[in-house]
Amino acid sequence: DAKTTQPPSMDCAEGRAANLPCNHSTISGNEYVYWYRQIHSQGPQYIIHGLKNNETNEMASLIITEDRKSSTLILPHATLRDTAVYYCIVRVASNAAGNKLTFGGGTRVLVKP
Amino acid sequence: GAGVSQTPSNKVTEKGKYVELRCDPISGHTALYWYRQSLGQGPEFLIYFQGTGAADDSGLPNDRFFAVRPEGSVSTLKIQRTERGDSAVYLCASAQDPSSTEAFFGQGTRLTVV
Repeated sequence: DAKTTQPPSMDCAEGRAANLPCNHSTISGNEYVYWYRQIHSQGPQYIIHGLKNNETNEMASLIITEDRKSSTLILPHATLRDTAVYYCIVRVASNAAGNKLTFGGGTRVLVKP
Repeated sequence: GAGVSQTPSNKVTEKGKYVELRCDPISGHTALYWYRQSLGQGPEFLIYFQGTGAADDSGLPNDRFFAVRPEGSVSTLKIQRTERGDSAVYLCASAQDPSSTEAFFGQGTRLTVV
């Protein structure tokens, strides 16, 4: 799986949008971009994933550049409960690979009142 | 329960002892994964089960680590001759099948080897 690069930390004001960048310049054509987050003392939680089109769900939006070498996770209205470590992961979706995830260091997001 | 359950939540053991960590996946999920997370780092893949068989055990660090899933549901991660370096949070995740887009994680077992 391709490697990802994320800033180690960022702060965000409560109620504002949080934009989390991720670089994945070596991504292959059959690799998806996944985002998980991990709140303190909990297991990681799936947020969203995409291949090349922008995606939106009830938690967040995912914007993938046209060349697919980078992406941005957007939390539209950050709350204090969004304070967590956010992981950007690139993986091939195949039965052989299963759901094996390669986590990097992630971005530690602190939402401030 | 509705989610992935891991027991115990905390385990303290002495160096050299044997430990077993248990994972109860979501009912009906055929894929099960073990990860290990050291302080300040992201989770690290250990092993993946599809049904009863280990489809990928490439992440197990050495032969002191072993995992089973005899009936395709509950899994046990076994660590022999524990070392202080084995101290970490051990996370279990399950997915409905290998191609599922989402894996569901338990809260982990915090293992401390003293």
